[in-house]
Amino acid sequence: AAGVIQSPRHLIKEKRETATLKCYPIPRHDTVYWYQQGPGQDPQFLISFYEKMQSDKGSIPDRFSAQQFSDYHSELNMSSLELGDSALYFCASSSGLQETQYFGPGTRLLVL
Amino acid sequence: AQKVTQAQTEISVVEKEDVTLDCVYETRDTTYYLFWYKQPPSGELVFLIRRNSFDEQNEISGRYSWNFQKSTSSFNFTITASQVVDSAVYFCALSLGEYSGAGSYQLTFGKGTKLSVIP
Repeated sequence: AAGVIQSPRHLIKEKRETATLKCYPIPRHDTVYWYQQGPGQDPQFLISFYEKMQSDKGSIPDRFSAQQFSDYHSELNMSSLELGDSALYFCASSSGLQETQYFGPGTRLLVL
Repeated sequence: AQKVTQAQTEISVVEKEDVTLDCVYETRDTTYYLFWYKQPPSGELVFLIRRNSFDEQNEISGRYSWNFQKSTSSFNFTITASQVVDSAVYFCALSLGEYSGAGSYQLTFGKGTKLSVIP
């Protein structure tokens, strides 16, 4: 079965640079969630989209923005990167807001 | 706000032993969902199970079983005859079943339990 696709899988950036993470949900899933997982931590919710509209917002820094496009894929844009942004970023998708979230493999971001 | 507590930070067992991972949750809502996810060393998050708050039946899937008790707000996970491939961090999580404000549908995770199965 098709799974959630995230790209890139690994990313190295310098401080103050920008990064764009992409997420392609499972086919026919209309809801996308973004989570950030620091080393040794549990995943923390950043933001979610349902039917291309923002549905909820968590602890997402103002330096980050995201959107969901007409084909339901989503992009997380991160600007003015800081060392503390180094983490594993997960995208999850579901077939509706109350349904099970299936996670992608994650993008490992390292900020130097 | 919702809260999930996994009191066991790390557990080590010898292969073929049974092991139970504890999960206690807090929520004021009556409709909610409980989940278990597995995160192996490779890093991905793998969905294992979802239960809704109205279904307290225990569930068994192969060597995995789950015990949901609303009276104690617990959703424990047992692995029978553990194997080395079970070594991973296991997360218990909760989301709400009805909209009751910001954050209703996000997953609130516990801190995770790192399980090491020794051959």
